[in-house]
Amino acid sequence: TQLLEQSPQFLSIQEGENLTVYCNSSSVFSSLQWYRQEPGEGPVLLVTVVTGGEVKKLKRLTFQFGDARKDSSLHITAAQPGDTGLYLCAGAYDTNAGKSTFGDGTTLTVKP
Amino acid sequence: DVKVTQSSRYLVKRTGEKVFLECVQDMDHENMFWYRQDPGLGLRLIYFSYDVKMKEKGDIPEGYSVSREKKERFSLILESASTNQTSMYLCASIRGSNYGYTFGSGTRLTVV
Repeated sequence: TQLLEQSPQFLSIQEGENLTVYCNSSSVFSSLQWYRQEPGEGPVLLVTVVTGGEVKKLKRLTFQFGDARKDSSLHITAAQPGDTGLYLCAGAYDTNAGKSTFGDGTTLTVKP
Repeated sequence: DVKVTQSSRYLVKRTGEKVFLECVQDMDHENMFWYRQDPGLGLRLIYFSYDVKMKEKGDIPEGYSVSREKKERFSLILESASTNQTSMYLCASIRGSNYGYTFGSGTRLTVV
């Protein structure tokens, strides 16, 4: 099983601050997904990035896929309490029946 | 709205019981997955299925089996529940390798 390392593991910030979460691997992925999970619920897909160097924006969230397709970052601008949750990255391979490798997640707490 | 539905949100079972966790998707997806999620261990793949009656072991299949008699339904079976199977169980389906998972809401199983 290939490893995906996420950092930081925990992040506690004040409302209005910016933050970046990182997802790194030694493997090359065909795509990488970011999910957000709230307590007691299943993860919800935020974005899929496919092309090396790709940048996608979802309101205040900016996702970037590394040029070599081994790493990714999630940047949140002006965080709000509603952004609180567990953020998971997952890397997928074309030839693996859709099976993904998940990072251990970043638990984000945004205080009002 | 497309959905993955898990039959139970919370279950309490006794050690040694046979436990069935049901999952249904309405998206006509070929591939379905069962994960368990534990604090500090992330999401671990138990089994997946890429077609009706087809199944493959994931990273932690011991103590589990699965059934996929119809495309929309993927069942996880705990043959003889043990306390170390207390966990959050997540079912997911996927349209294709680069599309990301749609997860169910999860089943919180407690084995006493």
